[in-house]
Amino acid sequence: SQQGEEDPQALSIQEGENATMNCSYKTSINNLQWYRQNSGRGLVHLILIRSNEREKHSGRLRVTLDTSKKSSSLLITASRAADTASYFCATDAPQSSYKLIFGSGTRLLVRP
Amino acid sequence: DTGVSQNPRHKITKRGQNVTFRCDPISEHNRLYWYRQTLGQGPEFLTYFQNEAQLEKSRLLSDRFSAERPKGSFSTLEIQRTEQGDSAMYLCASSLEGGGSYEQYFGPGTRLTVT
Repeated sequence: SQQGEEDPQALSIQEGENATMNCSYKTSINNLQWYRQNSGRGLVHLILIRSNEREKHSGRLRVTLDTSKKSSSLLITASRAADTASYFCATDAPQSSYKLIFGSGTRLLVRP
Repeated sequence: DTGVSQNPRHKITKRGQNVTFRCDPISEHNRLYWYRQTLGQGPEFLTYFQNEAQLEKSRLLSDRFSAERPKGSFSTLEIQRTEQGDSAMYLCASSLEGGGSYEQYFGPGTRLTVT
């Protein structure tokens, strides 16, 4: 079963705009990761945020984590057509650090 | 390319047939994972190896499914007596234990279609 849900399920923006995706999860975590998946391909790791961190940046990516609300957000700034993909949050399972539990994903379309 | 590789990339089989998929992880990674992904959903954990030992199996992994990782290197996932509900993308991932890194590196997946 899925750990959490991403919101929105689908997002369509113009190139250059910012894209924000949200993720909610159900149980306590050690860390939360975001992955990107291009159509029909494997997942690529984007960024990891630990439970004791509140915000993290990597290039055009900004991730926030609110453990009290069991939620995270991924912000992609100055989007490009190449950012078109599905984005998934993944948390480690309770009592384990190795098993990832993924949400259902946000499908992002960046229009040129 | 030293990433995770999976073969075949696509497999079409008839219901009732057996299929086997192969995953070659990144060479120094001691952990290997199998996930299943259906259309419009995120990947779901199936099983996990640390070296050659299979340490956890999901309830999704019925007795028709078996996975091995001989010698702690490549892994195979076999599905016996395939059913239409087995149609999905099967993803393999690997990681290196320790160092505080929890990132998993995914292969391109094997897309299974059961007709």
